[in-house]
Amino acid sequence: QVQLVESGGGLVKPGGSLRLSCAASGFTFSDYYMSWIRQAPGKGLEWVSYISSSGSTIYYADSVKGRFTISRDNAKNSLYLQMNSLRAEDTAVYYCSRGSGWIYFDSWGQGTLVTVSS
Amino acid sequence: EIVMTQSPATLSVSPGERATLSCRASQSVSSSLAWYQQKPGQAPRLLIHGASTRATGIPARFSGSGSGTEFTLTISSLQSEDFAVYYCQQYNNWPPCTFGQGTKLEIK
Repeated sequence: QVQLVESGGGLVKPGGSLRLSCAASGFTFSDYYMSWIRQAPGKGLEWVSYISSSGSTIYYADSVKGRFTISRDNAKNSLYLQMNSLRAEDTAVYYCSRGSGWIYFDSWGQGTLVTVSS
Repeated sequence: EIVMTQSPATLSVSPGERATLSCRASQSVSSSLAWYQQKPGQAPRLLIHGASTRATGIPARFSGSGSGTEFTLTISSLQSEDFAVYYCQQYNNWPPCTFGQGTKLEIK
């Protein structure tokens, strides 16, 4: 079955960097576009970034544009999110999600918590 | 950016009764509307896409309706496992795709 497993979260100081990873299995990763979606503690869902199946098309939310970089390695069935210049408001659980249609999210990982605090 | 507004914020319903959740878009999203269920400590789960198409494995008691700017998620006979937070998401006009703020469905 479809499985998405995030890793790389943790505690980081404001201005610091972190790289999240998502390992995909149970489906042909290279056939699907992927996204990162986050959820601040006690809050709702916020779409963060999208990458097409080949990696040629990328979008970002305005709140992270210029600071975050999404990428993928289809040979390794992996999705990444490089997060730089982190702010307190980036504190959230980050979910890796598989896109379907154009575009809703039919599979989600369990999430990885990123805490930005001094 | 399309703003999605869900109502009510909290809905109290007894098991076995019907629950009706609403989602409104700030402009038309056609039928490009999805619903998700999220239980505490878990990731969201896709329930409905295309406003009314149930995702794989979703019980028939969940149904979606609407188009344009007004949408409804109906749970026909609430089971204990249905008490959760529900989010709508539009994907007609993106980026960004946008989510509603959620409706918490609680036991009355």
